[in-house]
Amino acid sequence: DIQMTQSPSTLSASVGDRVTITCQASQSVTRWLAWFQQKPGRAPKLLVYKASILESGVPSRFSGSGSGTEFTLTISSLRPDDFATYYCQQYHTFWTFGQGTTVEMK
Amino acid sequence: EVQLVESGGGLVQPGGSLRLSCAASGFTFSAYDMNWIRQAPGRGLEWVSYIRRSSSTIYYADSVKGRFTTSRDNAKNSLYLQLNNLRAEDTAVYYCAREGSGDHDNLFDYWGQGILVTVAS
Repeated sequence: DIQMTQSPSTLSASVGDRVTITCQASQSVTRWLAWFQQKPGRAPKLLVYKASILESGVPSRFSGSGSGTEFTLTISSLRPDDFATYYCQQYHTFWTFGQGTTVEMK
Repeated sequence: EVQLVESGGGLVQPGGSLRLSCAASGFTFSAYDMNWIRQAPGRGLEWVSYIRRSSSTIYYADSVKGRFTTSRDNAKNSLYLQLNNLRAEDTAVYYCAREGSGDHDNLFDYWGQGILVTVAS
């Protein structure tokens, strides 16, 4: 099974900050990597797929990069609506999620 | 508009059974593969099961294999998850999710709102 490890688990930030979340796969997933945003009581929302392609309607302050085993999600300038939990997910071999990164208000 | 609506959750005793349903609308259900994903309270997301559009292929996570059964009825635009021999660790919100096509192949592009299953005595 492919394991996904995110860091950090929690991130404290302020509006306007640049935020970076990393995700490491236990083996190469090439670029079959997605990022989801989840708010309390809501279903996850797809943000990025194929490591770097922004889903339609997702603000351009979000960006994804990486390939193989190392990936990042960056929010260039944090907005109030961005405080949430973010999950990476590999879909190279079945589906595995990272444990999540909660972006909280500093 | 794509909509997925889960139902059938609730409180069940350890060892008991439950059947979840997911009603799909706003797209051609029979043309899409579907999945179940769950999230234990305060925890992360765990993929549970996959079913091909024709039901010809079904996969399960090791944690539920032999206890859960996924099925679908394309005529009724519905997806099902039969949960048997339930354990406390199966307590979670269960989501159904559509797998996209084209650029979204193998991606969970639409999710239901989730339904809570609580296993406790």
